[in-house]
Amino acid sequence: GPKVLQIPSHQIIDMGQMVTLNCDPVSNHLYFYWYKQILGQQMEFLVNFYNGKVMEKSKLFKDQFSVERPDGSYFTLKIQPTALEDSAVYFCASSLGQGSGNTLYFGEGSRLIVV
Amino acid sequence: QEKVQQSPESLIVPEGAMVSLNCSFSDSASQSIWWYQQHPGKGPKALISIFSNGNKKEGRLTVYLNRASLHVSLHIKDSQPSDSAVYLCAVSPMNYNQGKLIFGQGTKLSIKP
Repeated sequence: GPKVLQIPSHQIIDMGQMVTLNCDPVSNHLYFYWYKQILGQQMEFLVNFYNGKVMEKSKLFKDQFSVERPDGSYFTLKIQPTALEDSAVYFCASSLGQGSGNTLYFGEGSRLIVV
Repeated sequence: QEKVQQSPESLIVPEGAMVSLNCSFSDSASQSIWWYQQHPGKGPKALISIFSNGNKKEGRLTVYLNRASLHVSLHIKDSQPSDSAVYLCAVSPMNYNQGKLIFGQGTKLSIKP
């Protein structure tokens, strides 16, 4: 089936440093998402992105977070500066269309540990 | 804010048994309800979705939706060891057409050979 690739799979970073999580969405998809999952907790929506713009973001999407997809390359989530509470698995997803009937395809996640 | 609750938290059944997983949500006007499967260390994989009241069958999976009781269930027939995973119920909130999903906490399913 369609694959979403995420790089890196794991990263350990010092608090206060910047981190960029990369996502290669399904090739013909137009809508991109980031979700956050803290160990033992449910997955939570962070942000969605279409046509170069953030469409919606949640309260978890702090000012230190930013997303972009320059020139159709990777869809990235940047955190600057990182905080201890940013430790989580970040899942990227993509879909062909919008609307509740469209399937979201998820990557395998980027596990971020902030120390 | 939409809330999604799943039960049970975990379930162990023998191979070949029928599995029933439950999910309740808080807004009857929610749009589609999705079931995702997540293996350890992997991302969620969409299994089946339902929008209208009633049931929907795909292969060994059947999902039942009752909007009046704010309840949806997933049934897996003839369970296999490869079905062992965490099953996530996800709801698309009303008025959100941007692919936002509200997830439950999941049910961990173990199928014993």
